[in-house]
Amino acid sequence: AQSVTQLGSHVSVSEGALVLLRCNYSSSVPPYLFWYVQYPNQGLQLLLKYTSAATLVKGINGFEAEFKKSETSFHLTKPSAHMSDAAEYFCAVSRTNDYKLSFGAGTTVTVRA
Amino acid sequence: DAGVIQSPRHEVTEMGQEVTLRCKPISGHNSLFWYRQTMMRGLELLIYFNNNVPIDDSGMPEDRFSAKMPNASFSTLKIQPSEPRDSAVYFCASSQPAGGPTDTQYFGPGTRLTVL
Repeated sequence: AQSVTQLGSHVSVSEGALVLLRCNYSSSVPPYLFWYVQYPNQGLQLLLKYTSAATLVKGINGFEAEFKKSETSFHLTKPSAHMSDAAEYFCAVSRTNDYKLSFGAGTTVTVRA
Repeated sequence: DAGVIQSPRHEVTEMGQEVTLRCKPISGHNSLFWYRQTMMRGLELLIYFNNNVPIDDSGMPEDRFSAKMPNASFSTLKIQPSEPRDSAVYFCASSQPAGGPTDTQYFGPGTRLTVL
């Protein structure tokens, strides 16, 4: 079964600083990987997804993630944090032939002025 | 596009009562998912419909939970009888065209259920 581990349940960054959220996956088959963001009292919104094309994936709101098979990682980054980035971020994985998304536990990001 | 619509947004009920959560997927989407989010267990898939047919209900916790999709634009998740441990945020999501692994799932705003 596939699963994801998000390192760090809370991340605090200063406005303008780098945002780095870590995600490692385990999968017996080549995975599809996703990052979702959840703003307070809202549903999840897709930031970006990796589907075995380019290993560097660019998403919305200036976020990007790099798939590294050798490290089984799919870390999310943004060069410069904005106050509006304060939210909870979820990494998710699915198998190439499966609709099921397995979500990580989530990482809450706070941005300091 | 209105997105995925869920109602009610908040529900407070007493143990033993029946609870019905409602979902309207995005028009044209033929796959629908119900998830539950709790602090202890995170996000869990409860049930998946494709073309109004339940494909996988292995995540439904027990017989007290049931879900239906009578047509392409409406689904319900019912809990009867409800218990305090059912307190959670319930999300509905939809995708197109066949709910495959690369299809983006669009989530509704969720229903926050509190069972006293």
